[in-house]
Amino acid sequence: EAGVTQSPTHLIKTRGQQVTLRCSSQSGHNTVSWYQQALGLGLQFLLWYDEGEERNRGNFPPRFSGRQFPNYSSELNVNALELEDSALYLCASSLVLADNYNEQFFGPGTRLTVL
Amino acid sequence: GQNIDQPTEMTATEGAIVQINCTYQTSGFNGLFWYQQHAGEAPTFLSYNVLDGLEEKGRFSSFLSRSKGYSYLLLKELQMKDSASYLCAVVRGYQKVTFGTGTKLQVIP
Repeated sequence: EAGVTQSPTHLIKTRGQQVTLRCSSQSGHNTVSWYQQALGLGLQFLLWYDEGEERNRGNFPPRFSGRQFPNYSSELNVNALELEDSALYLCASSLVLADNYNEQFFGPGTRLTVL
Repeated sequence: GQNIDQPTEMTATEGAIVQINCTYQTSGFNGLFWYQQHAGEAPTFLSYNVLDGLEEKGRFSSFLSRSKGYSYLLLKELQMKDSASYLCAVVRGYQKVTFGTGTKLQVIP
């Protein structure tokens, strides 16, 4: 079965622009999380979607937003890009039923560079 | 809020055993993950602890003490390919996952 995929692999934008990153979750998974990993820093939790609803949000400004589609794929949108948004953006999917937490499977990431 | 602490870097010898510690302070603790991340790659799942005690999986074991806010990852019979960053991640409440900054392990011959 196909794993988690992300597109594009790399992206270069300029300050003030908007970007959309895409993630296809692993088959059978119903949740998607997004993380930002800036150079030399740990993974920072951005957003979590479950059955199309945003359930949790990390400490990021509203210009970071996203959505999950009926097929459980997801998009991350970042408006008004700033230089410090340059990072690796990872999405991860998992199957969550009630309170049963399962491991997350990560995609390869999108490397965003803001100039 | 939550605070997760891991050593920044460790070095160990091929064939040896290494223990990577993780301490955390959080409310609503709901489990702890360990992930391995090779440079330039996505993290991959290693273990999940929700109850106190030791979970063994081949060369890798993970321990959790909820009362102490402490976990460790034990790697035995180290191989060169184990050189990677090891991320401790705490689940708080419902699905809110917080990652530590990771421990970069270098395995030397």
